[in-house]
Amino acid sequence: QKEVEQNSGPLSVPEGAIASLNCTYSDRGSQSFFWYRQYSGKSPELIMFIYSNGDKEDGRFTAQLNKASQYVSLLIRDSQPSDSATYLCAVNHSGGYQKVTFGIGTKLQVIP
Amino acid sequence: DAGVIQSPRHEVTEMGQEVTLRCKPISGHNSLFWYRQTMMRGLELLIYFNNNVPIDDSGMPEDRFSAKMPNASFSTLKIQPSEPRDSAVYFCASSLVSANEQFFGPGTRLTVL
Repeated sequence: QKEVEQNSGPLSVPEGAIASLNCTYSDRGSQSFFWYRQYSGKSPELIMFIYSNGDKEDGRFTAQLNKASQYVSLLIRDSQPSDSATYLCAVNHSGGYQKVTFGIGTKLQVIP
Repeated sequence: DAGVIQSPRHEVTEMGQEVTLRCKPISGHNSLFWYRQTMMRGLELLIYFNNNVPIDDSGMPEDRFSAKMPNASFSTLKIQPSEPRDSAVYFCASSLVSANEQFFGPGTRLTVL
């Protein structure tokens, strides 16, 4: 079992819809959870991080964390074609807070 | 700020040759990370440094891989000898030790023939 699991997609949603991206992790001691966005041929960039159970909102983005279920999600409201990218879930290791494991990423396609 | 700088951006080499990838972190950042990204395995952490000291190199795949950070503004990742399975995009990232966000460089696309 991989440490951080994501569906590689592609996930296709129409413009204006809500995109829901999901991630599960295996290390119960993990404390920090990240979502990175990576456009094709570019480098990853951080868009959200979350530490506590519940929701964290930033503009059109909401990160959700459920530590009991070892589940992290990212919701993108009012999806735009410019949101089309691969979204990487990342989780820190309980043994070293800077050591981060990335999921394979989910490719999101927003259809105009 | 120039961001994280990596060179070369593209490298094509033949099996058995030595490859050296270079990274300049963001000025003031004291943590540096080397990652490798492939379609099959995704983004994998190879090694990271704090204040120029290697902290965790458990992701380095084989003894053919080595990394150094001689000073706060420069790091290298060397592969000797290179093999076709080393073909990937290699990213360098930097951050503050106390911070959550890692800033990634543009990457080096390595092709080993």
